[in-house]
Amino acid sequence: QKEVEQDPGPLSVPEGAIVSLNCTYSNSAFQYFMWYRQYSRKGPELLMYTYSSGNKEDGRFTAQVDKSSKYISLFIRDSQPSDSATYLCAFKGYGNKLVFGAGTILRVKS
Amino acid sequence: GAVVSQHPSRVICKSGTSVKIECRSLDFQATTMFWYRQFPKQSLMLMATSNEGSKATYEQGVEKDKFLINHASLTLSTLTVTSAHPEDSSFYICSARSLRGPQETQYFGPGTRLLVL
Repeated sequence: QKEVEQDPGPLSVPEGAIVSLNCTYSNSAFQYFMWYRQYSRKGPELLMYTYSSGNKEDGRFTAQVDKSSKYISLFIRDSQPSDSATYLCAFKGYGNKLVFGAGTILRVKS
Repeated sequence: GAVVSQHPSRVICKSGTSVKIECRSLDFQATTMFWYRQFPKQSLMLMATSNEGSKATYEQGVEKDKFLINHASLTLSTLTVTSAHPEDSSFYICSARSLRGPQETQYFGPGTRLLVL
């Protein structure tokens, strides 16, 4: 079983739709949960960061963590064509290392 | 804040030559920097963790003598790909952990695309 599972997509949605991106993980030692956005040929950009179960909202983005189910989600409201990118979930335990999901390609059509 | 730069952004070299990539934290100090490699349509794979003033820690399967890492200051780490071969062609990305803010987050550079002919 992989440490992190993330559907690579692509996920295509119309402009204005609510997008749901998800990752599951198996390592109970993961304490910190992050979402990064990566545009083509660019480095990842940190979108959301949380360390507790529940929801965290920032503008159009909501990160949700369910530690009991080992499941995290990123919701994007009122999606825009500029949201088209690859979204990477990332996890960290007690060491320095981040463990990334494979990334989900999102395409928002205008 | 928390800007990380990389230089060069793209490099094309002949097989057998060495290539140096620089990673700089522009507006913060970073005791720890990380080097990743990303192949097309794949996720980031950690190559090594670079600590200022000490030897880098390499991930399993990464050749230390091929990928030389130097972290000479709190704002600069370099990755040198020695005797590069076509299979080393990839997207190399560095990240840095800021001394300020959440210690769990890393800020990434824009990446360096290496093509070895």
